[in-house]
Amino acid sequence: GQQVMQIPQYQHVQEGEDFTTYCNSSTTLSNIQWYKQRPGGHPVFLIQLVKSGEVKKQKRLTFQFGEAKKNSSLHITATQTTDVGTYFCAGSNTNAGKSTFGDGTTLTVKP
Amino acid sequence: EPEVTQTPSHQVTQMGQEVILRCVPISNHLYFYWYRQILGQKVEFLVSFYNNEISEKSEIFDDQFSVERPDGSNFTLKIRSTKLEDSAMYFCASGQPNQPQHFGDGTRLSIL
Repeated sequence: GQQVMQIPQYQHVQEGEDFTTYCNSSTTLSNIQWYKQRPGGHPVFLIQLVKSGEVKKQKRLTFQFGEAKKNSSLHITATQTTDVGTYFCAGSNTNAGKSTFGDGTTLTVKP
Repeated sequence: EPEVTQTPSHQVTQMGQEVILRCVPISNHLYFYWYRQILGQKVEFLVSFYNNEISEKSEIFDDQFSVERPDGSNFTLKIRSTKLEDSAMYFCASGQPNQPQHFGDGTRLSIL
């Protein structure tokens, strides 16, 4: 079945440093979503990427979808303490199919 | 903004008992999902539901699990005879084609 791998599992950064998490799928995806989950909370939708090679930005967050639609990345510029949490990618093979989640990258930011 | 709502927020049940988790998806959504997240682990797909039937299910979704849309608004997950390993956060989600899924706040299920 489809597998989605995400690295690194943990990332500790000093406030102001950049952060990147990478997501790789075993199969070509129809779309990929990124979610942020705070401890004790539920996954909160950040963005969806659909097109090959797509790049989207949300303030300090930059999301990329690979040309082959099998990998994606989330980059945070100049991290802040409010960025702490676990970032999950989730890929779908079809337009309304299940999402297969990556293992998540837990980000901690030291002030 | 419309939300997916789940009740209860926390359910404590004795092992072997039946439990029903409830969800009210966003009203114009057609696709419904259940996921679970064991503490400290990733979110795992359980089942998807469309047009009043299961469209896909995972290996986790065995005969102990069932889903139902009893009326036009609720979407339920039933676990027939709970086991200790069923303890997890259960998330309901709903969506439309080509649109991201929206998640509820989850129900924390604790099996004693």
